[in-house]
Amino acid sequence: AQSVTQPDARVTVSEGASLQLRCKYSSSGTPYLFWYVQYPRQGLQLLLKYYSGDPVVQGVNGFEAEFSKSNSSFHLRKASVHWSDSAVYFCVLSRNSGTYQRFGTGTKLQVVP
Amino acid sequence: EAAVTQSPRNKVAVTGGKVTLSCNQTNNHNNMYWYRQDTGHGLRLIHYSYGAGSTEKGDIPDGYKASRPSQENFSLILELATPSQTSVYFCASGAGTANTEVFFGKGTRLTVV
Repeated sequence: AQSVTQPDARVTVSEGASLQLRCKYSSSGTPYLFWYVQYPRQGLQLLLKYYSGDPVVQGVNGFEAEFSKSNSSFHLRKASVHWSDSAVYFCVLSRNSGTYQRFGTGTKLQVVP
Repeated sequence: EAAVTQSPRNKVAVTGGKVTLSCNQTNNHNNMYWYRQDTGHGLRLIHYSYGAGSTEKGDIPDGYKASRPSQENFSLILELATPSQTSVYFCASGAGTANTEVFFGKGTRLTVV
């Protein structure tokens, strides 16, 4: 069975601080992993994706994520957050034989001055 | 630019009434999806489609029907709306392979009173 767990429903960080949003997955096949971001009253947009190769993948706006097969994790990171990064972030799992993507419950990020 | 358009953006319906949510994509994607978003659940898949004329059940199909009359259009139908179907609904399209991006509409906020 496939599942994605985002253990933190809310994260608050200060502007300029570093960020890590956690994601754990369970997959019986080769996982394809994504991070999407949802800004207020908007649809979701892709930040980055991973399916093979270098376990550290770069995304838009300075975001990166690191895949760990041993830990079944795909954590999202950013070195220095900006107030405009305030949004809901979703970790998403698919499989090479999968039909559709499975979403985590999301982490709401609030960046404070 | 890839585009997924949902209508209406907001809808208030009465319990027991019929509701149709519409989605149009200009991406020429084969796959289309309907999700609902609720706090604490993330996005959950209701129905999806591989192409015109096809519909498949997702994880939570009960109380919903779907229709895909053409490549571009995918509708979600609530024959007998209930208050538990109050939610934000997202339509999305994708090329069909597991490692590709899915493009989302801006969502429809449905309130059933």
